Amino acid sequence: DIQMTQSPSSMSASLGDRVTITCRASQDIGNYLSWFQQKPGKSPRRMIYGATNLAAGVPSRFSGSRSGSDYSLTISSLESEDMAIYYCLQSIQYPWTFGGGTKLELK
Amino acid sequence: EVQLVESGGGLVQPGRSLKLSCVASGFTFSNYGMNWIRQAPGKGLEWVAYISSGSSYIYYAETVKGRFTISRDNAKNTLYLQMTSLRSEDTALYYCARAPHMDAWGQGASVTVSS
Repeated sequence: DIQMTQSPSSMSASLGDRVTITCRASQDIGNYLSWFQQKPGKSPRRMIYGATNLAAGVPSRFSGSRSGSDYSLTISSLESEDMAIYYCLQSIQYPWTFGGGTKLELK
Repeated sequence: EVQLVESGGGLVQPGRSLKLSCVASGFTFSNYGMNWIRQAPGKGLEWVAYISSGSSYIYYAETVKGRFTISRDNAKNTLYLQMTSLRSEDTALYYCARAPHMDAWGQGASVTVSS
């Protein structure tokens, strides 16, 4: 199975900060990488797909990038509504696997 | 508006069975593969199963293989998850989500396995 190692597991940041979350894939997954945001008591929301494609309705301060086997989700200027847990997901090979999650909190 | 609504969750004893449903609306259900994903209390997301649009391709996580069965009825716009031999570790919120990019999720159905 493909392992997705997500870091950090938690972080705190201030409003307006630039924030980056990373997932490393244990095997080549090409661009079959998505990012999801989950707020307390809510279903996950797709933010990025195909490693770099912004999902419909997602603010442009969110972006996705890839460097080799490392995939990153970046929030260019943190807003209060961005406080949530973020998960990456590889979908190139079954079983699909999620990263462990990153809890983003306000400093 | 795309909508997915799960039902069928509840409290069940270990070893018993339960069947979840996910009713889809707002899109042509028969054109899309579907997934089940679960989330144990306070834990992360775990992909559980996938079924292709015409049911030709089905995949399971190892943790549920042989115990869970995913199926669908395209005439009823409904996805199912039949769960048997339930264990305490199956306790979770079960979501259905549209493939291929999980761009739509239901609100989840809660399953608690306990004696």
